[in-house]
Amino acid sequence: DAGVTQSPTHLIKTRGQHVTLRCSPISGHKSVSWYQQVLGQGPQFIFQYYEKEERGRGNFPDRFSARQFPNYSSELNVNALLLGDSALYLCASSLGLAVLWEQYFGPGTRLTVT
Amino acid sequence: DQQVKQNSPSLSVQEGRISILNCDYTNSMFDYFLWYKKYPAEGPTFLISISSIKDKNEDGRFTVFLNKSAKHLSLHIVPSQPGDSAVYFCAASEDSGGGADGLTFGKGTHLIIQP
Repeated sequence: DAGVTQSPTHLIKTRGQHVTLRCSPISGHKSVSWYQQVLGQGPQFIFQYYEKEERGRGNFPDRFSARQFPNYSSELNVNALLLGDSALYLCASSLGLAVLWEQYFGPGTRLTVT
Repeated sequence: DQQVKQNSPSLSVQEGRISILNCDYTNSMFDYFLWYKKYPAEGPTFLISISSIKDKNEDGRFTVFLNKSAKHLSLHIVPSQPGDSAVYFCAASEDSGGGADGLTFGKGTHLIIQP
């Protein structure tokens, strides 16, 4: 069975540009969460989507947005990129919304902003 | 302000001995705690969890202990094996029912198992 997949694997962007990261959850999983992991830190919660609706949002500026599609895949968009946005972006999927459901993480997208 | 703290960036343990990873938290609203393991170039993998109504949970070689009064939890790995070498993250949630707040992670502890 395929796990959570994310694309692209690596990405280099310039300050001020826009980026879109993609995530495909495990088949049957209806919830997708996004996390940002800066070097030397733990993952930090950005968004959770369940059944195509935003159900939770972490402490991130409005430059960060996301959406979930009818097939439960998800996109994370970041506008007006800053150097500080350089990080590993992790997507996690789970069967349900509650944290009691085990979250399965993808390998992440490494974003470098120059 | 770090709500979940893992104060040991790294820990070295001999193969076959016990590994003890520690985690402290400040938010008394946290009611569900999890440990994740991460290998390089892979996403974190769920290891074990514990609800705030319990003080211990076991799964094979892994045991998590929760001391709510001290706001402290620990992960014990017995016996430690070379494949256990990885970064271990402690995570917590104050919304076990809805999951809307996501998980709050610590910075991680790099466990190195020496042969």
